[in-house]
Formats: sequence, structure tokens, C-alpha cells
Amino acid sequence: GNSVTQMEGPVTLSEEAFLTINCTYTATGYPSLFWYVQYPGEGLQLLLKATKADDKGSNKGFEATYRKETTSFHLEKGSVQVSDSAVYFCALRNAGGTSYGKLTFGQGTILTVHP
Amino acid sequence: EAQVTQNPRYLITVTGKKLTVTCSQNMNHEYMSWYRQDPGLGLRQIYYSMNVEVTDKGDVPEGYKVSRKEKRNFPLILESPSPNQTSLYFCASSLGQDYNEQFFGPGTRLTVL
Repeated sequence: GNSVTQMEGPVTLSEEAFLTINCTYTATGYPSLFWYVQYPGEGLQLLLKATKADDKGSNKGFEATYRKETTSFHLEKGSVQVSDSAVYFCALRNAGGTSYGKLTFGQGTILTVHP
Repeated sequence: EAQVTQNPRYLITVTGKKLTVTCSQNMNHEYMSWYRQDPGLGLRQIYYSMNVEVTDKGDVPEGYKVSRKEKRNFPLILESPSPNQTSLYFCASSLGQDYNEQFFGPGTRLTVL
């Protein structure tokens, strides 16, 4: 079945540092890929998405590129802020089969940014 | 304001005492879903619904029931809760299963003693 693997956390950075959170996936067909962010005490919010190979999703300074050849969708940001502290989830949406439309999530990566 | 609401936000209960967690959305979305979030496991889908009166099992449906009598509401029912159902639960909705963005509720933290 489909699966998503994220880099182990937690990740702790100083403000203005460069961020990379690795995400790789296993899927049949051509899934859409997402990054969701969960701020403390809140539900998940869509951060960015990519629907086909080589697409780059971007939002709030974060970027991720859909790499079909390496089945990856790594999240990057050039300069993190304290307000970026949150849990980040990589996810894919099934492209077909009996669970069409279902989101499959990675385990989440806790990011803490210090001033 | 477009949103997904859940109630209660926090619940402590005892084994075997039936409970219902409500979920409501005001966006006229067809697709609704329940997830549970556990440390190290991410979110796993419990049940989903593609429209009124159409529901199906997700990855971890055991011990849960759902219903979809109205488009806006999708309650999660635990007939006989057990401690292994202690978790953080999220309801989500989207226009349809084909649509990329799912909107999530704020979560319900359930503890079963």
C-alpha cells in the first residue's frame, strides 16, 4: 500500500537558519503530494501542494518539489522564524484504487525555532 | 467564517461508556473524514464519507462507527471505548474526494481510563 516516510525529529534550529525536512513516499499511480502544518493546539492546515512530477509547491517562504525519480517531496525554507515552530506532516493523496481521495500521512516532524 | 468544528475538544471517560464526537462543516463539502493522530504514527484514517448516506472504512475502523444523515454533520461514535482509543481525533472535509485541500477541525483529545 501507499506510505510516507519523514525524517526523524525533533528538529531544533536557530532563527534565520536553513530548514530541510525530508519526505519520501511509496505509491501506485501518480499521487498528489502535500505538506500540512500543525501549530500548537490547532488542527492541520495545508501549507503547500504539488499535483504532478516536477511541480514546485510554495507558500510562506516554504518550498517543496515533486521528484518522481527519487519519490521525494522535501520541504525547505531559507530562513526560519520562531513563528514557524510547529509539527509538519508530509502526505499523499491516493490517485486511484479503493481508497481514492484518502490522505496518507507521514509520522510528522516537530520543528522548534529558537530566537 | 468557513470552518470545521468538533465537540467536545477534550474528553476523559471510562472504558465501556458510549460516547459521540460531533463534527460539522459549513462549506457544503461532500467529502468528510475522521483521522486519529498518535505519536510516531502520524494521522490514520478511521472512516470517510463521500456524501450523505455513503460511508466507508479507512485504515483503522475497528471500535468506531459513523453516520452521515446530513451533508454538514459527520459524528464519530465509540460504542464501547477502550484505553487503546485514547488519541487525538481530527475531522476533515473537502469539496469532493478529487479536491486537493482538506480542511481540518481543531481536534478532540480523548482519554479512556
